[in-house]
Amino acid sequence: GDSVTQMEGPVTLSEEAFLTINCTYTATGYPSLFWYVQYPGEGLQLLLKATKADDKGSNKGFEATYRKETTSFHLEKGSVQVSDSAVYFCALMDTGRRALTFGSGTRLQVQP
Amino acid sequence: GAVVSQHPSWVICKSGTSVKIECRSLDFQATTMFWYRQFPKQSLMLMATSNEGSKATYEQGVEKDKFLINHASLTLSTLTVTSAHPEDSSFYICSARDASASGGQETQYFGPGTRLLVL
Repeated sequence: GDSVTQMEGPVTLSEEAFLTINCTYTATGYPSLFWYVQYPGEGLQLLLKATKADDKGSNKGFEATYRKETTSFHLEKGSVQVSDSAVYFCALMDTGRRALTFGSGTRLQVQP
Repeated sequence: GAVVSQHPSWVICKSGTSVKIECRSLDFQATTMFWYRQFPKQSLMLMATSNEGSKATYEQGVEKDKFLINHASLTLSTLTVTSAHPEDSSFYICSARDASASGGQETQYFGPGTRLLVL
């Protein structure tokens, strides 16, 4: 079945540092890929998405590129802020059921 | 953006009682809603897919008689945890798909979650 593997956290960075959170997936067909963010005490919010190979999703300074050859969708941000502290979930949506399969989540802690 | 609400946000109940959780899409119609369960510091696990006007589709290992799902309208789905036990304590999250949005059918909006504690 489908699965998503993302790097374990927590990830602790200083403000303005470069961020990478790795995400790889296993799926049949051509899934859509997502990054969701969960701020403390809040529900999941869609951060960005990509629906086909080589697409780049971007939002709020975050970027991720759909790499079919490496089955990856790594999340990057050039300069993190304290307000980016949250849990980040990588997810895929299969083309059939259209249900989301989530990775285990990576907690990011940004220190001033 | 689209808003999904859940009620209640948290509930404490005695073992053996039933608890109903509501999930509403506030400004869009959702033909499909999903129910997830999240354990502490773990990912979301899909429990079931709820389609308006038809029976829910449950994931393997999820007891249909334990977790009753009703999707009676395009804006409301309910999850009832029947005869709750302490092991049912968890964070329950719903999401709704807005098929009419510009983002297409891939766009799901999540509710804030309901924390259930069974004593």
